[in-house]
Amino acid sequence: DVKVTQSSRYLVKRTGEKVFLECVQDMDHENMFWYRQDPGLGLRLIYFSYDVKMKEKGDIPEGYSVSREKKERFSLILESASTNQTSMYLCASSLWGGPYEQYFGPGTRLTVT
Amino acid sequence: TQLLEQSPQFLSIQEGENLTVYCNSSSVFSSLQWYRQEPGEGPVLLVTVVTGGEVKKLKRLTFQFGDARKDSSLHITAAQPGDTGLYLCAGGRMDSNYQLIWGAGTKLIIKP
Repeated sequence: DVKVTQSSRYLVKRTGEKVFLECVQDMDHENMFWYRQDPGLGLRLIYFSYDVKMKEKGDIPEGYSVSREKKERFSLILESASTNQTSMYLCASSLWGGPYEQYFGPGTRLTVT
Repeated sequence: TQLLEQSPQFLSIQEGENLTVYCNSSSVFSSLQWYRQEPGEGPVLLVTVVTGGEVKKLKRLTFQFGDARKDSSLHITAAQPGDTGLYLCAGGRMDSNYQLIWGAGTKLIIKP
């Protein structure tokens, strides 16, 4: 069974804190993604990575950075958390090339107070 | 900018009724996927359609990809409470090997 795991299901942080969200996949997928999901806005891509140490900005990268030191692991970093970053964060992975099927982790519900 | 419009945004029906959810765009996609997401969980892939006009069936769910590969529909026959969830469509970008364009989702509630 394919599996994507995320380090926390729920997280509460204070404004200004540095936040690390970690994602691990066991499918040997080349591509990994970080999305945030907010009601009525659907899934919005923050960053993606197509190889170790390679990363590209998605649609909403501001306030976030990422790290991919190993193929199976993709981390999302909130350098200085703000209340508008309260959201559901979803990690996904996929094989390089079509047909683009993405496999998701269970998500991390982050609340910034 | 490629967009994928999903309709309706919300649908609440009685058990046993039929329903159709639509996903439309002015852009051509290399493939189209449907996902289902339950509250507090990540989306789970239901199906991928690749060829224009393709129809796939998954028990009571029928998925169709438009002939021009710009739109798709999901039809559920005799809906069950277990079908409740958020249904998301996603199209494969023609200019990318990995990025998807996401619809905003259809929240479906099936009442017993």
